[in-house]
Amino acid sequence: DTAVSQTPKYLVTQMGNDKSIKCEQNLGHDTMYWYKQDSKKFLKIMFSYNNKELIINETVPNRFSPKSPDKAHLNLHINSLELGDSAVYFCASGLDTKNTEAFFGQGTRLTVV
Amino acid sequence: GENVEQHPSTLSVQEGDSAVIKCTYSDSASNYFPWYKQELGKGPQLIIDIRSNVGEKKDQRIAVTLNKTAKHFSLHITETQPEDSAVYFCAASIQGNAGKSTFGDGTTLTVKP
Repeated sequence: DTAVSQTPKYLVTQMGNDKSIKCEQNLGHDTMYWYKQDSKKFLKIMFSYNNKELIINETVPNRFSPKSPDKAHLNLHINSLELGDSAVYFCASGLDTKNTEAFFGQGTRLTVV
Repeated sequence: GENVEQHPSTLSVQEGDSAVIKCTYSDSASNYFPWYKQELGKGPQLIIDIRSNVGEKKDQRIAVTLNKTAKHFSLHITETQPEDSAVYFCAASIQGNAGKSTFGDGTTLTVKP
C-alpha cells in the first residue's frame, strides 16, 4: 500500500564501493525525483525524471547515475562512494511536471565509512 | 535560480500557543508554495499549499499567507500540540517548470507539553 517505497532503508558501506538505491511508486505519477538531505536537514533536489526522461540534473557528480526503467521506478546508482556522500536520500513522485507537489518515500540513510 | 530563505531555524513553543514560520523567495515567477512536515525518521509530507492567485488558505489549525509583492509567505499553526513537533519546510516553484521545487532550510518546531 506504500505510495512511494525505497530500499534499502539503511545502507552502510565502505569508501570506494558502488551501491544502488531502488525506488518505486504506485501512484501512477509521471514524474519522479531524487533529493539529498544532509546532516543539517537541508533538502536539495538531485534529479527529476518525467516519463523515464531526465529533465533536471542539479550539478550532481557524475558518480551518481539515475536510471528509470519505467515511469514507476527511479533507481539511483552511486559509484566510488565518498565520505561526503553520507546523507539521507529521498525518492519522491509527482503527478506531472505541471504540478510540483511531491510525495516522498521514507528515505535511505546512507553511511559511508 | 530561485532562492528560498526560511526563518527561524528552530522554534520552541508551549502547547496551546501559536507558531509562525516565515519564508521569502527571490523569483517573482514562482507561483506554487507548499509546506511540508517531516517527522523523525520519515520523509517530508505535504500539509498545506498555496498558489499565487490566493492570499490566504486555511485548513483547521494550520494556515498559510502569501504576499506576492513582498515575495514572502508564512505558515501559521494555532493551538499547537506535542504532535506538531517536527521539521517544517517551505518550498517555492513554478508550476509547469519541469517540476523543480526549491526548499527552504527547514524549521525545527518543538512543542512543549
